[in-house]
Amino acid sequence: QKEVEQNSGPLSVPEGAIASLNCTYSDRVSQSFFWYRQYSGKSPELIMSIYSNGDKEDGRFTAQLNKASQYVSLLIRDSQPSDSATYLCAVNEGTDKLIFGTGTRLQVFP
Amino acid sequence: EPEVTQTPSHQVTQMGQEVILRCVPISNHLYFYWYRQILGQKVEFLVSFYNNEISEKSEIFDDQFSVERPDGSNFTLKIRSTKLEDSAMYFCASSNADHGDQSYEQYFGPGTRLTVT
Repeated sequence: QKEVEQNSGPLSVPEGAIASLNCTYSDRVSQSFFWYRQYSGKSPELIMSIYSNGDKEDGRFTAQLNKASQYVSLLIRDSQPSDSATYLCAVNEGTDKLIFGTGTRLQVFP
Repeated sequence: EPEVTQTPSHQVTQMGQEVILRCVPISNHLYFYWYRQILGQKVEFLVSFYNNEISEKSEIFDDQFSVERPDGSNFTLKIRSTKLEDSAMYFCASSNADHGDQSYEQYFGPGTRLTVT
């Protein structure tokens, strides 16, 4: 069974701090990796995609991928209360479907 | 900005009834998906659809489920005889994946909350 693992949290950080969210996956053939943000009662919203080892930056967000360790992370700089949400890690192994983790709940307090 | 839309936002039905959930994918996208999320659980893949046929489906997508693209814009999920355990949020997603570019970014609609009583 292919799995995507995330710490369910909550991860609590003060406003302005860096939030670090982590994800591991079990299938070595996984090719594409995604971070989605999901507010309570809402749908997943794509934040970042990453396909190659290393870092990818987009505004306050940085995704990091290490395929050898089967590890992907998301850093959120200058965290804001509006960033409080559940962050879903999703993996695509070259077929059509995304496999999601259970998500990490992030709380940013003023 | 183009977005995926879904109707209805909330559907209440009785066990054994048929429901049809509707989606309008992003207009230039070619790949369409249905996912579901039971309350408090992870998002689960149901089915993918490309070139007017199912390209992949999960174990959840049994004979009670079907998908259709009845025209150039709509994409539907039908559940023939609903069960209590079908109660969930159902998300439609679409992608303009060009597999040669390894781009599988999927964009989700707002979802339909299905409640089976």
